[in-house]
Amino acid sequence: LAKTTQPISMDSYEGQEVNITCSHNNIATNDYITWYQQFPSQGPRFIIQGYKTKVTNEVASLFIPADRKSSTLSLPRVSLSDTAVYYCLVRFSGGYNKLIFGAGTRLAVHP
Amino acid sequence: DTEVTQTPKHLVMGMTNKKSLKCEQHMGHRAMYWYKQKAKKPPELMFVYSYEKLSINESVPSRFSPECPNSSLLNLHLHALQPEDSALYLCASSQEELDNEQFFGPGTRLTVL
Repeated sequence: LAKTTQPISMDSYEGQEVNITCSHNNIATNDYITWYQQFPSQGPRFIIQGYKTKVTNEVASLFIPADRKSSTLSLPRVSLSDTAVYYCLVRFSGGYNKLIFGAGTRLAVHP
Repeated sequence: DTEVTQTPKHLVMGMTNKKSLKCEQHMGHRAMYWYKQKAKKPPELMFVYSYEKLSINESVPSRFSPECPNSSLLNLHLHALQPEDSALYLCASSQEELDNEQFFGPGTRLTVL
């Protein structure tokens, strides 16, 4: 069964590092794991994607273990403007060739 | 230009009305998508167009009718909708079909009375 699992919500304070994990079994072997950010009444915005190990860009890092059954989005030193919903996006294997968004994690950053 | 635009931003319609949502991108992307998003839920894929041809229809009711007039435009025609169709309708585009990196528009907030 194609399924992803993310925490429903997380709270943090300005300046802290936040790690959000998405669990995903049976994902396509040769496909990226992607993360999006969404603010209220806006479309999702691409943050980062990776295939394995670690990827870093100017806004986030993505950690993917060797078994690829999960991925962790890391946001360094969050600010109030990072308050948003974060989705993982994966493609499942087994002929189910569809990209599926996780349920999303609501991150609230407090002063 | 890395923007996907959608019109209108908000739409209120009765169950007997016919309306259309419009989406435009000028990034040269060959794939365009319609998603439906209910409150506090992730986007759900409805349709995918690839090279201006309908590639995927996720068993969407026929009261939703997509159209791709050219490589930059995508429409969603609405007719005889139900109140449960009220949602945020998102358009997205990507270089190729089902690319993980998709560019989303701001959405149209649809309310069906």
